[in-house]
Amino acid sequence: SQELEQSPQSLIVQEGKNLTINCTSSKTLYGLYWYKQKYGEGLIFLMMLQKGGEEKSHEKITAKLDEKKQQSSLHITASQPSHAGIYLCGADGWGTYKYIFGTGTRLKVLA
Amino acid sequence: GAGVSQSPSNKVTEKGKDVELRCDPISGHTALYWYRQSLGQGLEFLIYFQGNSAPDKSGLPSDRFSAERTGGSVSTLTIQRTQQEDSAVYLCASSLLRDSVGTDTQYFGPGTRLTVL
Repeated sequence: SQELEQSPQSLIVQEGKNLTINCTSSKTLYGLYWYKQKYGEGLIFLMMLQKGGEEKSHEKITAKLDEKKQQSSLHITASQPSHAGIYLCGADGWGTYKYIFGTGTRLKVLA
Repeated sequence: GAGVSQSPSNKVTEKGKDVELRCDPISGHTALYWYRQSLGQGLEFLIYFQGNSAPDKSGLPSDRFSAERTGGSVSTLTIQRTQQEDSAVYLCASSLLRDSVGTDTQYFGPGTRLTVL
């Protein structure tokens, strides 16, 4: 079963709107990574969260980690077409060497 | 180079042929990872290297898949007797270090798109 669930799976928003993407883990989160993927560019690292309650920002993107809920949220303020892409959350494989990724959220921003 | 590079960027091959995919990690990164992303699927972990050794090979889909890393740098993923289900984007990532506590941030290459006809 999928250990990292992302919601929504896809999202279409009008430019300028705010949006939130969630990543929920079936296991305790010790650290969570957010990446953005565009065609032909591989995955671009956005930020890493390691502590419960931690919040980080990268330009207009903010991510939070809620350890109790085993969840992280990624919030984009005043979205722009350049934000379009697939957002992936990833986590260390809970004591294994495997690195687990969520199913991804495909974001489209309409100009 | 400044980032992780992979070659080739695209590879089209016939079923049954062998292919080699190359990954050049960021200089100084000791950990290297291979992933596979199939159409409509998420990222699938394949193998991880710490230096030249691979502590965990259990993610490799079958014995047709193998990987090696030499000099603690370049890695090659080899797929023998390719099948159509091997068609995917193969992504490589590297990180500065990995210890028993947790991972370091992984930086990804652009991927190799493999198409098996």
